[in-house]
Amino acid sequence: AQKVTQAQTEISVVEKEDVTLDCVYETRDTTYYLFWYKQPPSGELVFLIRRNSFDEQNEISGRYSWNFQKSTSSFNFTITASQVVDSAVYFCALSETTNAGKSTFGDGTTLTVKP
Amino acid sequence: DVKVTQSSRYLVKRTGEKVFLECVQDMDHENMFWYRQDPGLGLRLIYFSYDVKMKEKGDIPEGYSVSREKKERFSLILESASTNQTSMYLCASSAGGGNRISPLHFGNGTRLTVT
Repeated sequence: AQKVTQAQTEISVVEKEDVTLDCVYETRDTTYYLFWYKQPPSGELVFLIRRNSFDEQNEISGRYSWNFQKSTSSFNFTITASQVVDSAVYFCALSETTNAGKSTFGDGTTLTVKP
Repeated sequence: DVKVTQSSRYLVKRTGEKVFLECVQDMDHENMFWYRQDPGLGLRLIYFSYDVKMKEKGDIPEGYSVSREKKERFSLILESASTNQTSMYLCASSAGGGNRISPLHFGNGTRLTVT
């Protein structure tokens, strides 16, 4: 069975601080995909990044960066110089490559960025 | 942009009623999913479909059924609504084909209250 753990339920930071959201996963599959989604207060989940199990390159996109480490089964997400608009619930998800790529989600981390 | 539309934003139903939640996507996606979101429990998969008339159980299918008569439409049915089905229901779709797993595109959600 697949499992995704986001140990941080809630994080609160002050604007311009850096913040890292942790994600640890469990799977027996050798091929899989990892995702991060953002759910702002308006409610609609939005895709942020996808990574497959063969690609351990870290990625940076503006103020966002992702650190994928197979050795520790982790896919952590860092926001640099956080802004109030980053306040949201962030979900990490693990997808199979069969079964329509169905995803298992973590419980989510609620990030609050205070001005 | 992909658009996933859920027919109702808010619904209030009585215990024992039959409830239909409708979802339509406009990007010809093969895969469609129904999740429910509850505080502290993340997103849990109810049912998914990878083709017309095909359906597969997710992690929590009990008390639910689905219908996919057309590619763009995926309906979730609560045969006899109960109070423990009060939740936010999220529909999602993704492109199918090959081993490259596409991200999920979500609707705005339907908040169902069963009294």
